Amino acid sequence: SQTIHQWPATLVQPVGSPLSLECTVEGTSNPNLYWYRQAAGRGLQLLFYSVGIGQISSEVPQNLSASRPQDRQFILSSKKLLLSDSGFYLCAWSVFVRRELFFGEGSRLTVL
Amino acid sequence: QKEVEQNSGPLSVPEGAIASLNCTYSDRGSQSFFWYRQYSGKSPELIMSIYSNGDKEDGRFTAQLNKASQYVSLLIRDSQPSDSATYLCAVYNNNDMRFGAGTRLTVKP
Repeated sequence: SQTIHQWPATLVQPVGSPLSLECTVEGTSNPNLYWYRQAAGRGLQLLFYSVGIGQISSEVPQNLSASRPQDRQFILSSKKLLLSDSGFYLCAWSVFVRRELFFGEGSRLTVL
Repeated sequence: QKEVEQNSGPLSVPEGAIASLNCTYSDRGSQSFFWYRQYSGKSPELIMSIYSNGDKEDGRFTAQLNKASQYVSLLIRDSQPSDSATYLCAVYNNNDMRFGAGTRLTVKP
C-alpha cells in the first residue's frame, strides 16, 4: 500500500531564517506531488505541484520554492521566512488518472 | 467570486440525526469532486469522491452531485460524535485541486 511521510511535524523559526520541509511517498511510482498551505481557520492554498522529476508548477510567487530531486521526494524551501509564512503545510500525492489526493501528516510552522 | 464555496458553520446536529453539508463551485469544466474530513490539528482524509451526476453512497455517507447547478453535497446519516470535524469540499480541474474553506460540524451526544 502507498504511504506518505512528511517532516518535521512542528517547527518554530525566526523571521529571516531558512526553511526546508520534506515529503516522501512510498509504494507508488511517478506520483503527482503537491504542497498546500492552510492558514488558521482558512482553506487549503495550493503552493506547488509536480508531475515528474524536476517539473514544478508554482501557484504563488512569494518567497517559497519547491524541488523534486527524486521521483517520490518533494521538498519545500525558503531562503528567508516571513511572518506570513506561518501555517500548516501539507504534502499530498495522487495517481494521475484517479486524482484523489492523499495527504501527509502535515508540518506546522510558526514564524516569530 | 470564490471558486469553491461552503458555509463555514458551525453546523450542529444531535447524535443520530442526518447532517447535510453543501458546496458550490464556479468552474463549469470541473471534472471530479471530493469530500475530505479534517479533525482539529490533523491533515485532511478522503471520505468520498464523485464524478457523475446523481448520488453515491458509502456506508453512512452519501455524496450528491448536480453539475447543471454546480452543486455538490454530503449527507451523513446516523451522525456520531466522532463525526465532529471540519468537512472540506474539493473540486478538480486540469491537474489542479481547489478546496473550499470547510464547514465545521459538531454532533452533540
